[in-house]
Amino acid sequence: GAGVSQSPSNKVTEKGKDVELRCDPISGHTALYWYRQRLGQGLEFLIYFQGNSAPDKSGLPSDRFSAERTGESVSTLTIQRTQQEDSAVYLCASSSGGRVQPQHFGDGTRLSIL
Amino acid sequence: DAKTTQPTSMDCAEGRAANLPCNHSTISGNEYVYWYRQIHSQGPQYIIHGLKNNETNEMASLIITEDRKSSTLILPHATLRDTAVYYCIVRLNNNDMRFGAGTRLTVKP
Repeated sequence: GAGVSQSPSNKVTEKGKDVELRCDPISGHTALYWYRQRLGQGLEFLIYFQGNSAPDKSGLPSDRFSAERTGESVSTLTIQRTQQEDSAVYLCASSSGGRVQPQHFGDGTRLSIL
Repeated sequence: DAKTTQPTSMDCAEGRAANLPCNHSTISGNEYVYWYRQIHSQGPQYIIHGLKNNETNEMASLIITEDRKSSTLILPHATLRDTAVYYCIVRLNNNDMRFGAGTRLTVKP
């Protein structure tokens, strides 16, 4: 079946602009995660959605970052007033929600801030 | 708060078994060990996970020591396409997966 889909695959924008990144999880997956990966580094957790529960936002680096998810479907990650340090690959993952279920990742959105 | 330790890099000859070690000496009794890999320009790919028993699937085998303080991921017949960064992760619950630096495996012809 279809995996996690992210769009756009690449985004180049000017410093100060807002950007919106989209994630389509695997159908039926109740859990959804956003991560950031800077060049040559490991993954940095940003936010986690589980069903209708309040999201875990503990990884968001600043109030310029926000994310939404409607039900168990699409999620959008928004970065306002982008800065050059926001340049990274933003990865989305979903899982079926069980405590031990593995996460399945999309190929990410490569964001470049000029 | 790194919970796992992996070698920075390893080489393996094509067709041979690749054995990737991971130390997780502070693992708790109900924490699982997960392995992912990341090939350049792609998202991480789930490989396998286990609690205390050895596990095998179509991609790899996972050997966990009896005291659960370390584990080894085995790719039985490495191919050039297995060249990637391999991450060992210890995870208690469904919240974030704390990926460390991983092991960069290079499979050589």
